[in-house]
Amino acid sequence: LAKTTQPVSMDSYEGQEVNITCSHNNIATNDYITWYQQFPSQGPRFIIQGYKTKVTNEVASLFIPADRKSSTLSLPRVSLSDTAVYYCLVVVSNNDMRFGAGTRLTVKP
Amino acid sequence: GAVVSQHPSRVICKSGTSVKIECRSLDFQATTMFWYRQFPKQSLMLMATSNEGSKATYEQGVEKDKFLINHASLTLSTLTVTSAHPEDSSFYICSASQLRVGETQYFGPGTRLLVL
Repeated sequence: LAKTTQPVSMDSYEGQEVNITCSHNNIATNDYITWYQQFPSQGPRFIIQGYKTKVTNEVASLFIPADRKSSTLSLPRVSLSDTAVYYCLVVVSNNDMRFGAGTRLTVKP
Repeated sequence: GAVVSQHPSRVICKSGTSVKIECRSLDFQATTMFWYRQFPKQSLMLMATSNEGSKATYEQGVEKDKFLINHASLTLSTLTVTSAHPEDSSFYICSASQLRVGETQYFGPGTRLLVL
């Protein structure tokens, strides 16, 4: 079981880049790293997934160092609507989908 | 991305009654579905994992006779909260996935259960 550790909360201002780091020291060879966003009273929404190096999509980038024991979600130019809880999961073959505590991001005007 | 629906979105029931929550994958076949419970200001707690056509695997501390899970088809899983009590009031969320390594989980919008 690859447990994850994230900061409990982060504050930012509109227009800034936000980087949220997740530690997963016990990650296994077949594990993928997935990040989700959750707004109050909604189900989590998939943001990005990666295995190694860097992955980028239209909303975020994911940086994974060579040892894969951590990963960093990068949100460019955040807005107020990015205020949410962000979860990082380490998943292999859908057998372990336990969530960590997540990071509560607050974007201020 | 793939769409997962839940029904109902909100339900209020009396203590002692049973409530059924449906989770459907609308545009893909879900070999695996997960059920979560989330209390205010807390993270999602995994309750059980269900694979189509087989019995669900419950997490430690989750009563399988109280939370009945049925995954009868590749697009539908149901969670029945039997003899609900006020402490069962929570936000219940399902997710669905195809069984492939690294396959993304897609989450439903959640069901808010209030037991009076």
